[in-house]
Amino acid sequence: GEDVEQSLFLSVREGDSSVINCTYTDSSSTYLYWYKQEPGAGLQLLTYIFSNMDMKQDQRLTVLLNKKDKHLSLRIADTQTGDSAIYFCAERGGATNKLIFGTGTLLAVQP
Amino acid sequence: SAVISQKPSRDICQRGTSLTIQCQVDSQVTMMFWYRQQPGQSLTLIATANQGSEATYESGFVIDKFPISRPNLTFSTLTVSNMSPEDSSIYLCSVSFGLRDSTYNEQFFGPGTRLTVL
Repeated sequence: GEDVEQSLFLSVREGDSSVINCTYTDSSSTYLYWYKQEPGAGLQLLTYIFSNMDMKQDQRLTVLLNKKDKHLSLRIADTQTGDSAIYFCAERGGATNKLIFGTGTLLAVQP
Repeated sequence: SAVISQKPSRDICQRGTSLTIQCQVDSQVTMMFWYRQQPGQSLTLIATANQGSEATYESGFVIDKFPISRPNLTFSTLTVSNMSPEDSSIYLCSVSFGLRDSTYNEQFFGPGTRLTVL
């Protein structure tokens, strides 16, 4: 079946880089996504990557995809206190075409 | 993109009652979905709301418990029926402009409805 896992918590200092990791099991995934959820808010799509790419950069965000290991990461450069949120990895299942979400990683940015 | 509003934003309900959550989008969308996010957990798809026909439910969710309406391309409701404390969750509406079988459908999410059942 489809399963997506993330570490639960990451703490960084303001100005440092953050790296949030995600693993998934569906080798036929088409797209992989990173969403951000701030307290009391819905989910905001940050970025996505097509499964035949291995890297995508968008301003402070860098997504790395290792399809062989089914490993996805999100790097946030120069992390700010406003980046504190829960980050969800999601994959679009190749068979079902549905979004499968990871467990979410709480990023805490210390001033 | 799409701007999605949900009503109510939060509610506290008594066991055995029902609550209807509304989702309004500022533009016509192809697909509308309802998700549940239980405390400290990830998002689980409840159902896909289909315009003019019955919703498509995921495994573990049934129409009697979660009736859904979608009368047009911009509005949907989810009812949580005969509530118990286990239904305490955030319920999120999500939309996309793509077709069901399209390999890329950017999904936008509403702010969620935080439900507490006593």
